Amino acid sequence: GAVVSQHPSRVICKSGTSVKIECRSLDFQATTMFWYRQFPKQSLMLMATSNEGSKATYEQGVEKDKFLINHASLTLSTLTVTSAHPEDSSFYICSAPGGNTGELFFGEGSRLTVL
Amino acid sequence: GIQVEQSPPDLILQEGANSTLRCNFSDSVNNLQWFHQNPWGQLINLFYIPSGTKQNGRLSATTVATERYSLLYISSSQTTDSGVYFCAVQNLGWGKLQFGAGTQVVVTP
Repeated sequence: GAVVSQHPSRVICKSGTSVKIECRSLDFQATTMFWYRQFPKQSLMLMATSNEGSKATYEQGVEKDKFLINHASLTLSTLTVTSAHPEDSSFYICSAPGGNTGELFFGEGSRLTVL
Repeated sequence: GIQVEQSPPDLILQEGANSTLRCNFSDSVNNLQWFHQNPWGQLINLFYIPSGTKQNGRLSATTVATERYSLLYISSSQTTDSGVYFCAVQNLGWGKLQFGAGTQVVVTP
């Protein structure tokens, strides 16, 4: 299957700082990538759709100025959590469709802890 | 958007037992996937199965698209099968992969 890689896997930061998470498609190109968020013991919630070369599409209730998404190449999307606060602590996971079926493949996820 | 319901929410199995997980969805789909989330949080693709039946080792899945449900079968369960199993669906109208709440599986030795 297609391989999606995320970095970093874990990050701890102080309140008020910004954190960038990278999502790469390693063996295929992805014009679209998806960013999900998962709270403990809960399911995955779609935050936004990242589109190569254009603006991201955010789900209702997701602050676009808080969660900046950039998809500058066909293999890389980044999520920047700006001015992070403890309530932003969560597991963030990206995905991309690989192959011609639309099957989604997920990265390893990034666990953010804001102190 | 499309609704996805998984059952049961929790399942405790003794090693070697068989089990069936169910996923009901509210609309027609063009994509249905089953995932296993391991203790480190990574989502492992199990099946891409918008319709029909597939098998992979001790796991198999069946989707009956006309009746809007999918089943995941785990046979001869092992402790490494523990984790959360998610069903996720997508339809043309909605266009996004919508996850169910998951089934937490614990396999005891």
